[in-house]
Amino acid sequence: AQSVTQLDSQVPVFEEAPVELRCNYSSSVSVYLFWYVQYPNQGLQLLLKYLSGSTLVKGINGFEAEFNKSQTSFHLRKPSVHISDTAEYFCAVSDYSGYSTLTFGKGTMLLVSP
Amino acid sequence: KAGVTQTPRYLIKTRGQQVTLSCSPISGHRSVSWYQQTPGQGLQFLFEYFSETQRNKGNFPGRFSGRQFSNSRSEMNVSTLELGDSALYLCASSDDRAYEQYFGPGTRLTVT
Repeated sequence: AQSVTQLDSQVPVFEEAPVELRCNYSSSVSVYLFWYVQYPNQGLQLLLKYLSGSTLVKGINGFEAEFNKSQTSFHLRKPSVHISDTAEYFCAVSDYSGYSTLTFGKGTMLLVSP
Repeated sequence: KAGVTQTPRYLIKTRGQQVTLSCSPISGHRSVSWYQQTPGQGLQFLFEYFSETQRNKGNFPGRFSGRQFSNSRSEMNVSTLELGDSALYLCASSDDRAYEQYFGPGTRLTVT
């Protein structure tokens, strides 16, 4: 079984400032890692994913994340945020079983103010 | 390609009633998963269907059931509704690689 911990429930930040949303996971097997974003009254949109290879992955909207196996972390970063990035962000893991089952963290609300 | 669609988008039901939610996956996707999202419990996996067979199931009571049709469309049913079933129900589809899932906009169920 896997679990995901998102260390911050809310992250307030000013526009054009950098941001890091933290995610740690626990699993007894190798996993795939994902970040999703949810805007109000919408479903989840995939930001980026780590399957294998380079530990630094780039996603949409200028986001990137780094997989750190030793620290079992997959933190999400953006060098300069916009007001439109205000949303809830979810980190998720899936094991290699081939089943489409995601285990999600509780989410981090990113609040960007002018 | 058209995205994942879910109907209805909003639903209000009374305790004790039953409800059926529908999900149409992205064309060509054979896997459909369902998740429940609540403020308290977050996103929780309900079940996954692949080629009309339930392939995986989360830890939910038997009141929650689902099925998948030959065209990959899926339905989820909740019987004997409880207040605690009020939630956003999200459907996601994926292709055979099962690496990533694409989510629909969800159905907001309110039980009164």
